[in-house]
Amino acid sequence: EVQLLDSGGGWVQPGGSLRLSCAASGFTFSSYAMGWVRQAPGKGLEWVSVVSTSGVYTYYPDSMKGRFTISRDNSENTLDLQMHSLRVEDTAVYHCVKGSGGNVRVPDYWGQGTLVTVSS
Amino acid sequence: DVVMTQSPLSLPVTLGQPASISCRSSQSLVYSDANTYLTWFQQRPGQSPRRLIYKVSDRDSGVPDRFSGSGSGTDFTLKISRVEAEDVGVYYCMQGTFWPYTFGQGTKLEIK
Repeated sequence: EVQLLDSGGGWVQPGGSLRLSCAASGFTFSSYAMGWVRQAPGKGLEWVSVVSTSGVYTYYPDSMKGRFTISRDNSENTLDLQMHSLRVEDTAVYHCVKGSGGNVRVPDYWGQGTLVTVSS
Repeated sequence: DVVMTQSPLSLPVTLGQPASISCRSSQSLVYSDANTYLTWFQQRPGQSPRRLIYKVSDRDSGVPDRFSGSGSGTDFTLKISRVEAEDVGVYYCMQGTFWPYTFGQGTKLEIK
């Protein structure tokens, strides 16, 4: 059974940093692209980042480039998201998402999410 | 970015009746490999999104056959043939053709 366990969320002041993690199990982690999707309270869904199977290729929307860094450890089956210079508008539940193969064009499984609150 | 527009945003439905959600994209979602990366997700209250339909009309394993997807190019539809109580939640379409991938605003289905 595929499991994605998100962790690392919490409260942080504007300008602060936070590192999220996703522990994956139930599938061959190194064979699937992975990503992060966030959902602001009461709002819709937004892609945050994607990483290739090897970890070499990473993708971010323009609004998050330079502030967020996605990485993966295929030996530990973990996915991370390092976030810097956090803004109030980054407040959201962040979900780890599994791709259907070498990309996440058709994501299939989602983690339960971890809440990030950016507030003074 | 590709804009995904869903309608309606609120969908009250009587149990046993059909329901239909429209999703329109600001440009064609046909990718260079000839696939159309349009996915439908269901988010029940308090849960993470669950994939229902991918590549326009392929239904996921375990998804009841009362759910179906159709469409092409820029115009897509999710249909529920007979709504059941467990279908309550928010439905999102998502395009995976152009980065950044984008979602529709969501359609909240409730029972009348």
